[in-house]
Amino acid sequence: GEDVEQSLFLSVREGDSSVINCTYTDSSSTYLYWYKQEPGAGLQLLTYIFSNMDMKQDQRLTVLLNKKDKHLSLRIADTQTGDSAIYFCAERRNTGRRALTFGSGTRLQVQP
Amino acid sequence: ETGVTQSPTHLIKTRGQQVTLRCSSQSGHNTVSWYQQALGQGPQFIFQYYREEENGRGNFPPRFSGLQFPNYSSELNVNALELDDSALYLCATMLAGVRTDTQYFGPGTRLTVL
Repeated sequence: GEDVEQSLFLSVREGDSSVINCTYTDSSSTYLYWYKQEPGAGLQLLTYIFSNMDMKQDQRLTVLLNKKDKHLSLRIADTQTGDSAIYFCAERRNTGRRALTFGSGTRLQVQP
Repeated sequence: ETGVTQSPTHLIKTRGQQVTLRCSSQSGHNTVSWYQQALGQGPQFIFQYYREEENGRGNFPPRFSGLQFPNYSSELNVNALELDDSALYLCATMLAGVRTDTQYFGPGTRLTVL
């Protein structure tokens, strides 16, 4: 299909780990990104992973990429209330233009 | 802070009117993309400009048009506004040729069409 798919909602307790999943569409996508959007705001780039990598860690964030299944995940360790937001995965497809294709976003709610 | 600014922050128009949204690029970023984000959805690619020329377009009609200026700032113009054009419009800039192709987003302009 054409869509990048994400689950709609995730609720965790403060201090727990959060795992947000994404299924993308194009096996030739070169880069995959995670963006965070807080209410009323634009998109903040969190991290990205190149398609020839399996894992990338950046402080509390860990990205895992399974190219065979076209599955991407974002793990947030020690989740804080400030992490409450909508998280979007995006793929940069291997076309001539450098456009991003986004999922519909996962709303992360962190309970104190 | 990404260094990408957009104006205005909010705008209300009526059906059939025309609107111009503006985006100022982060210093040195020569490529700008525009996205439409409807409520509850992810951003959808409208088009991209590189060195003042359109460099790719998404599934949007011709009444969506754009410009990029020599200083790399950009405009999005929408003619004959429809109710479904109500959305958050985001611009994103990047420096083409850099390996990661990372796009940095502005805060967006919220357009309401009545």
